[in-house]
Amino acid sequence: SQQGEEDPQALSIQEGENATMNCSYKTSINNLQWYRQNSGRGLVHLILIRSNEREKHSGRLRVTLDTSKKSSSLLITASRAADTASYFCATGPANYGQNFVFGPGTRLSVLP
Amino acid sequence: DAGITQSPRHKVTETGTPVTLRCHQTENHRYMYWYRQDPGHGLRLIHYSYGVKDTDKGEVSDGYSVSRSKTEDFLLTLESATSSQTSVYFCATKSGTEGGEAFFGQGTRLTVV
Repeated sequence: SQQGEEDPQALSIQEGENATMNCSYKTSINNLQWYRQNSGRGLVHLILIRSNEREKHSGRLRVTLDTSKKSSSLLITASRAADTASYFCATGPANYGQNFVFGPGTRLSVLP
Repeated sequence: DAGITQSPRHKVTETGTPVTLRCHQTENHRYMYWYRQDPGHGLRLIHYSYGVKDTDKGEVSDGYSVSRSKTEDFLLTLESATSSQTSVYFCATKSGTEGGEAFFGQGTRLTVV
């Protein structure tokens, strides 16, 4: 399986602090995506990084990708209470169709 | 939510009964997916479709079947529901663009008693 595995499983921080979540995967990928899920809702796409990219920014989000270590990190800077959610990485396979596989997620709690 | 509607949103059914969940999209996306989400497992792919009448199995397809007779509709059927199929089910769509993002429905909470 090329399932992504997020780390840590849960993270609790104060508002204004930075939050870092990591994702590891097992096989070659075409791209890696991060999604957010608010409680009781569907997943929302945050950012996509391709296998030939090393870093990408979007607003307060910074994603890095290290294909040699098969890992990615998501950094949320200056966190807000509204960032409280579960975050999932999803790996897009290099050699198989258009499917992607999700990890179990990181539950982020941002305390006011 | 990118025009993806799941129905019903909540359902309680008895063991052994058939259940059909519907996913409807207005985005004309080529790819459609059914996932189930359970604590500690993230999202697991049940079945997916890469076009009308073109479907394939995911990692947890046992006990489930799907049909896609139109681009906009993807149906998930539990032929004979079991308690292990109690879960939250999500439909997702993706355009044909390589590596594009997925758009998710709001989910269906299914309880099998």
